[in-house]
Amino acid sequence: EVQLVESGGVLVQPGGSLRLSCAASGFTFSSFGMNWVRQAPGKGLEWVSYISTSSSTIYYADSVKGRFTISRDNAKNSLYLQMNSLRAEDTAVYYCARVNNGHTIDYFDCWGQGTLVTVSS
Amino acid sequence: DIQMTQSPSTLSASVGDRVTITCRASQSISSWLAWYQQKPGKAPRLLIYKASSLESGVPSRFRASGSGTEFTLTISSLQPDDFATYYCQQYYSYYNFGQGTKLEIK
Repeated sequence: EVQLVESGGVLVQPGGSLRLSCAASGFTFSSFGMNWVRQAPGKGLEWVSYISTSSSTIYYADSVKGRFTISRDNAKNSLYLQMNSLRAEDTAVYYCARVNNGHTIDYFDCWGQGTLVTVSS
Repeated sequence: DIQMTQSPSTLSASVGDRVTITCRASQSISSWLAWYQQKPGKAPRLLIYKASSLESGVPSRFRASGSGTEFTLTISSLQPDDFATYYCQQYYSYYNFGQGTKLEIK
């Protein structure tokens, strides 16, 4: 069974840092692009970042560019999101999502259950 | 940045109704559009990809069409399990989601 499990979400103060993890299982992780998507409480979905299979191609939404860093470890079947200079508006459930293929941007065919990040003093 | 606009934002309907949700892109995205369903407290679920292709396991009452800038998602006969929020997503240039359409029970 294809599974994505996020972890690392906590309460953090504004200006703080946090690293989220996403553990993948049930498929060949190194063959698929991956993303982070977030959802603020009561709001819609917002794409955050994309990483290709070999980490050679990385994209960020303007709202997080320069503050967040996406990475992956194919040997550990894991995806990460390093979040720095956190703001109240970064408060959201963060989902990892698998891209349908490993060659290019494509739709998301599998999502994790999400992890909640709360930025507040 | 490509803007995705869904309408309506909220839709009230009854079991058995036929409903249609519209998604408009601020520029042409060819057929690079997906539709997702999300229930409260759950992750989104893929329904449709490439504008009109039904994901495996999704009931055939879900139909979608469109290309360029205008797209629709139609549910032919609403079932109790269909009451949820629906999002369109373009993947022509990076990614953008519509603001969502909440489908409520009338």
